[in-house]
Amino acid sequence: QVQLVQSGAEMRKPGASVKVSCKASGFVFTNFWVHWVRQAPGQGLEWMGIINPSGSYTSYSLKFQGRVTLTRDTSASTVYMEVNSLTSEDTAVYYCARDNSVTTMTGLTWWLDPWGQGTVVTVSS
Amino acid sequence: SSELTQDPAVSVALGQTVRITCQGDIVRTHYASWYQQKPGQAPVVVIYNRNNRPSGIPARFSGSTSGDTASLTITGAQAEDEADYYCNSRETTIDHWVFGGGTKLTVL
Repeated sequence: QVQLVQSGAEMRKPGASVKVSCKASGFVFTNFWVHWVRQAPGQGLEWMGIINPSGSYTSYSLKFQGRVTLTRDTSASTVYMEVNSLTSEDTAVYYCARDNSVTTMTGLTWWLDPWGQGTVVTVSS
Repeated sequence: SSELTQDPAVSVALGQTVRITCQGDIVRTHYASWYQQKPGQAPVVVIYNRNNRPSGIPARFSGSTSGDTASLTITGAQAEDEADYYCNSRETTIDHWVFGGGTKLTVL
């Protein structure tokens, strides 16, 4: 079935980095862009960035520009998200999600489906 | 960057109809999609392309857009619809996406 499976929970100290993986199965990985979204405890969803099918293009939320790096290994059907210079405010659940799009009469429209199960990242000294 | 504004909380009596709204200029250009999130679970898309439902999403969920406001309507709300709902859309001119702040739906 179509799914994204993420790596397990991580704990880091402030100032460290973390790299989370997102492995795709059940669809042609190289046909789809992938988003990353995070959710701090008790908070809403926050869009972080997107990577294109080949990994040659990325776009990041201004909030994460320069501190987050998205990469992908097409041979392993896996996308990676790395966050540097972690602080306690980066404690959150991180999700990957496949981008879908369709052309309508008014232009392109997009949606995120499926989502990975989420990876808890805890930053604490 | 653009913003999408949602009411933080909405309640509905069991079996009644509820509308959850999402306001922002970017929905004038790109249709919003809607996500349901239950505690401890990943979000699930319930509406995309203005008013399309993925397979497995009940027909009581519908979507619409008027001007700068996208709406998710649940006709005949069920207890299992109690969840957080988020809208999402793409920025007009750049490859950035935006989520609304989320609406907590309580079914009474």
